[in-house]
Amino acid sequence: DTAVSQTPKYLVTQMGNDKSIKCEQNLGHDTMYWYKQDSKKFLKIMFSYNNKELIINETVPNRFSPKSPDKAHLNLHINSLELGDSAVYFCASSQRRGLSYEQYFGPGTRLTVT
Amino acid sequence: AQSVAQPEDQVNVAEGNPLTVKCTYSVSGNPYLFWYVQYPNRGLQFLLKYITGDNLVKGSYGFEAEFNKSQTSFHLKKPSALVSDSALYFCAVRDVEMNSGYSTLTFGKGTMLLVSP
Repeated sequence: DTAVSQTPKYLVTQMGNDKSIKCEQNLGHDTMYWYKQDSKKFLKIMFSYNNKELIINETVPNRFSPKSPDKAHLNLHINSLELGDSAVYFCASSQRRGLSYEQYFGPGTRLTVT
Repeated sequence: AQSVAQPEDQVNVAEGNPLTVKCTYSVSGNPYLFWYVQYPNRGLQFLLKYITGDNLVKGSYGFEAEFNKSQTSFHLKKPSALVSDSALYFCAVRDVEMNSGYSTLTFGKGTMLLVSP
């Protein structure tokens, strides 16, 4: 009954590789997000999708490419991985309409680039 | 842009004592404020929010927060701390992206709460 799930939970890879992280939500929400949490635990929004459409794209290198095949899924593909990409990546979802605004987070994917 | 500040990196409290984790905000317009908790190696869990209405908001796990407009604060409180409350706490504010009009959350840097037995 996991609301927001991510795979994999851990990802260890070498510099220069390409990797993907998958996210799925079963809450019926129409908006999904990717956040990056750095080593100091600071959380920063990377992308947001509403009904499969990209609506927020913060200053993220274009090596990062999100894809939303449907409104329940938002995947993150990263090309040419760099050491500085090591972080925990969180997927989240919310419902745009109404007065909710709170987001529900997945368990995170810890990416380590060596 | 909207922002929140969490002035304390860490708060230490003994079990059974009341706890307060501080948050101040800077917004244009009405603030929509949130508290989240992150347990070790876990995702963020929503605790409570203030949108409108009563200044004292009750949330999960016995936590509450007090919205104070004059002091632009939204402090998280609990009357009696538990060791299991030890975690990282984030304050957040709704921020509207200029170009799209869609909203997201802007988080504070987090405050580590340590409850000793």
